[in-house]
Amino acid sequence: AQTVTQSQPEMSVQEAETVTLSCTYDTSESDYYLFWYKQPPSRQMILVIRQEAYKQQNATENRFSVNFQKAAKSFSLKISDSQLGDAAMYFCAYRSATNSNSGYALNFGKGTSLLVTP
Amino acid sequence: DGGITQSPKYLFRKEGQNVTLSCEQNLNHDAMYWYRQDPGQGLRLIYYSQIVNDFQKGDIAEGYSVSREKKESFPLTVTSAQKNPTAFYLCASSMFFAGTEAFFGQGTRLTVV
Repeated sequence: AQTVTQSQPEMSVQEAETVTLSCTYDTSESDYYLFWYKQPPSRQMILVIRQEAYKQQNATENRFSVNFQKAAKSFSLKISDSQLGDAAMYFCAYRSATNSNSGYALNFGKGTSLLVTP
Repeated sequence: DGGITQSPKYLFRKEGQNVTLSCEQNLNHDAMYWYRQDPGQGLRLIYYSQIVNDFQKGDIAEGYSVSREKKESFPLTVTSAQKNPTAFYLCASSMFFAGTEAFFGQGTRLTVV
């Protein structure tokens, strides 16, 4: 089974600064998808960004971008110009491109709690 | 508006009781999932279903049961066999395609009293 590791349980960033959240994963598959989800205090899971493994170009969504290193099995999230509303739990997730043992279920890391200070 | 609705938001269970958590979606998604969230553990897959009348165990299915009689509904029953049921439960759905976004409900907080 694929494992997803987020090595930073907590991170802190000042408003307007940039922060990078780390994620590594273990897989023997060549085709898959990677996601970052945000869970604010409301506990509603919100998709931040997604990356397709066969695309070399890093995904970008406004202030959010990823650094996808397929050979290193690394998928970090960079948040630029941090805002108070970015404070949340961030989860990295893996999904196989094939209908495997867990179907198309997302496999999550344990999360990183991001604190944004004024 | 399309989305996923979980109910109730808070649920209390006495020792030895079975309780059922509701999950309904109107997104016309084929696949539905149940996750359990504990502090410091991330989200762990309990059960998933890709089609009506079919479902599969996830990583932590012991003590849980599900049904999928309708495309829109995927209720989760927490049985008395689940020894540590206090947790936050999230339901999700997606199209039957790997690259698609999974949409989540707002969750149910289950507490054993």
